[in-house]
Amino acid sequence: LAKTTQPISMDSYEGQEVNITCSHNNIATNDYITWYQQFPSQGPRFIIQGYKTKVTNEVASLFIPADRKSSTLSLPRVSLSDTAVYYCLVGDMKTSYDKVIFGPGTSLSVIP
Amino acid sequence: KAGVTQTPRYLIKTRGQQVTLSCSPISGHRSVSWYQQTPGQGLQFLFEYFSETQRNKGNFPGRFSGRQFSNSRSEMNVSTLELGDSALYLCASSLAGGSHNSPLHFGNGTRLTVT
Repeated sequence: LAKTTQPISMDSYEGQEVNITCSHNNIATNDYITWYQQFPSQGPRFIIQGYKTKVTNEVASLFIPADRKSSTLSLPRVSLSDTAVYYCLVGDMKTSYDKVIFGPGTSLSVIP
Repeated sequence: KAGVTQTPRYLIKTRGQQVTLSCSPISGHRSVSWYQQTPGQGLQFLFEYFSETQRNKGNFPGRFSGRQFSNSRSEMNVSTLELGDSALYLCASSLAGGSHNSPLHFGNGTRLTVT
C-alpha cells in the first residue's frame, strides 16, 4: 500500500468546514483512497472512498486531483461530535492485505 | 443490519496466560480481519480470514493465531501473554476483503490488559 502523510492534529470551531489533506505520492493505478473515523475506545468507521475527482455522501466529500498524489476529506459544518481521529488509507486491500498500514491519522478537535 | 460484534469487551489477564477473543461479522460478510491498536504503534494488521482460510498475515509472532468457522465467525488466540500484548484488538469484516467495493466494517474491539 502507498505510504500516506497527514497532519497529526487539527483544531476547528463548531460550524466551520474542515479540510484534511492526505499525501500519497506513490499511489498505484489500481489503488483507491478510503477515509475512516475513529472515536476513543471504538473501532474505525468507514466514511468515504474514491478513485478520482470528487465523491460526496451524506457526511463528507472527498476531493482527488487529477494526479491522485493527494486527497482532501471535507467535513461540512463540523460539530463537537466530529471530534475524532481520521485515517487516510490508500490501496487495494484485496491484493495487498498483508501490507495494510494505518498511519497515525489526524486528530481533529472541534471547539465550541 | 447488526454490526460487527466483538466479545468480551474488556479482559484482564496475567503474563504467561492465553486468551481467546471472538468476532461475529456482519451477516453475509465472508472476510474477517484482525488488528492490534496501541498508542505507540497505532493500528497494525494481524491476519485476515476468508471462507475459513487464512488469506493474509501481518508481521506478528506465532503466539498470535486465529481461525474462522463455517458461519464466518472468527476467533483470535494469543498464547503466553506478554505485557506488550496489552492493546485494543479490533476485528473488521467485509464482503470480499476490504477492496474498493467492500470497505472494512470494524467492531468496537476487545480491550486486553496484561498484568
